[in-house]
Parts: sequence; structure tokens; C-alpha cells
Amino acid sequence: QVQLVQSGAEVKKPGSSVRVSCKASGDTFTDYAFSWVRQAPGQGPEWVGMVIPLTGTGNEAQEFRDRVTITADESTSTAYMELRSLRSEDTAMYFCATSPWHLVGRFDNWGQGSLITVSS
Amino acid sequence: EIVMTQSPVTLSLSPGETATLSCRASHSVADGLAWYQQRPGQAPRLLVYGASTTAPGIPARFGGSGFGTDFTLTISSLQSEDFGVYYCQQYNNLVTFGQGTWVEI
Repeated sequence: QVQLVQSGAEVKKPGSSVRVSCKASGDTFTDYAFSWVRQAPGQGPEWVGMVIPLTGTGNEAQEFRDRVTITADESTSTAYMELRSLRSEDTAMYFCATSPWHLVGRFDNWGQGSLITVSS
Repeated sequence: EIVMTQSPVTLSLSPGETATLSCRASHSVADGLAWYQQRPGQAPRLLVYGASTTAPGIPARFGGSGFGTDFTLTISSLQSEDFGVYYCQQYNNLVTFGQGTWVEI
């Protein structure tokens, strides 16, 4: 079973960018797809996008397609999400979650979450 | 985008009772449907995937059913630790979540 440890909380200004990391351990990195799921206060989860390190492919929700980049570094077993042009509505807890690489969306394991606050 | 609609919004039950949660997809998702439990301050926990397969380590009192657009999560013999918000999620066409059902024990 893979364990996921995310980077810490951050406060960002509107219009800036944020990069969140998710380090995996305990299993083979390339067995998994890594997704990012965010959750605004009091709201349901919202899928942002994903990357499959084994194939180098990925996908994003249409809403984020023009301002999110999701990558994976096999040498450090770490996945990243960069979100640009931040606005107050991006304030949320951001989770990384893993699926078997061939079954994206079945989120077996979750990180502890990274709180991103966007405020002037 | 496939929209997931859950009902009811809130369910208030006593220990030992059975909870029935519903989830409807705006378009068919076949069996690409999962259920999660989320307690306050925690990440979601996978309960069921493939519409009806209980995830490893999840008690047998959690059961899923359905195919296509209509799905049900049944929690039998409710226990106090079963409180929280339950989300359905489709992964047949990208990924979308429902808005959740809050279960009070």
C-alpha cells in the first residue's frame, strides 16, 4: 500500500501560482496514477486532473485545463500540481490520491491534504 | 461533464438501523462508480468501487449496487463510527463527485 505525504499549507496572492507536491513511498511509483482532488470549505470534492507516470500521459478537468499542470518525477517518487492565475475561489484543501494506473478514478489512497489559501 | 446527484441530503438514523443512500448520474457510467466516506478533518476513504465491490478492509455491512445511471449504497447495522458525509463518484468519463449525503447517527 502506498503512503502519500504532501507539502504544507500556503497563502498566495490573487494572480500568483502555487505548486503542491505529493511524495509516495511503500510501493512501486509507476504502478499508480496520481490525481489531484480539491475541496473548498463545506463543499464536495472536485477532481482537478491526473498523471500516469508509467505512460507519461495525463488529463485535466475542463475547468482547469488552461491553468493547471500536473507532473510526476519517478526519480523522487513525487507528483506535482501547479495551479496558475490563482483567485479567491481556489481557496481549498488539495488532496493527492492514487489509483491503479490502468483504473484511474478508483482512489484507494489519499494524502493528508494541503491547504491553499488565496487572499490579498 | 457527467453530473452526479445524491439523495437525501441528510439522513438521521439510530445505531443498528439500515441506511440507504442514492446516487444518480446524468449519463450512463456503466459500473464506473465508487463510494467514499469522509469524516470531518479527514480525507475521503474508499468504501466501494466498480459499483458493487467492497474495498479491502471495509466492513461487510457496507454494500453497493446499481449500473448505468442509478446506484445505491446500503449500510446495514449502523454503528456510531459510520457518521460522516458519503460521496458517490463516477470514473467512467473523467471523474466527477456528487455533493454528498450527511449521515447522522
